[in-house]
Amino acid sequence: ETGVTQTPRHLVMGMTNKKSLKCEQHLGHNAMYWYKQSAKKPLELMFVYNFKEQTENNSVPSRFSPECPNSSHLFLHLHTLQPEDSALYLCASRAPGPYGYTFGSGTRLTVV
Amino acid sequence: QQQVKQSPQSLIVQKGGIPIINCAYENTAFDYFPWYQQFPGKGPALLIAIRPDVSEKKEGRFTISFNKSAKQFSLHIMDSQPGDSATYFCAASRVEELTFGQGTILTVHP
Repeated sequence: ETGVTQTPRHLVMGMTNKKSLKCEQHLGHNAMYWYKQSAKKPLELMFVYNFKEQTENNSVPSRFSPECPNSSHLFLHLHTLQPEDSALYLCASRAPGPYGYTFGSGTRLTVV
Repeated sequence: QQQVKQSPQSLIVQKGGIPIINCAYENTAFDYFPWYQQFPGKGPALLIAIRPDVSEKKEGRFTISFNKSAKQFSLHIMDSQPGDSATYFCAASRVEELTFGQGTILTVHP
């Protein structure tokens, strides 16, 4: 385990469903990230939180809604997704300095 | 300006070979260049990293070569092993946020 835990590992949802992805880290890191990983595409940064404050939203559609209640937990709320949103969603956290990027194992999301 | 271009997309070598993965960037403000290794079902894990004031960094069988003037850097894996089979991502950082290359799927045959 890397110290960043993501649940669930796999999720299948219909286009009208609402679901949430959870990320948890107890590494004492102050920044947390959501990335989307699609086949044959670079990792796409979605959201950045620094000390619980959202500092970046990379033009992500509003059907994705992040929440960071504290520096250890990060959620990604999903609603009315499209099939093209099927991907591996990765959470990462960072200690001060660029060396500190630690990724979770991801949630494999399939939208049907 | 934020793009990092990685090649090749896939690479197959025999055990003991030296696979080389290349990356190029455009933004001269990038100040940190890590490589990540990702096995199936896992998230990327930091493998090795370099700063632009250094031309080469070696950690075990992994070496980064960095050419600041050409804005290119590469990963070399010496004496490659089947266990090195994974997807490798280069990345570049500015203000501690990473931009990733497209990834290279490496297969090392026994």
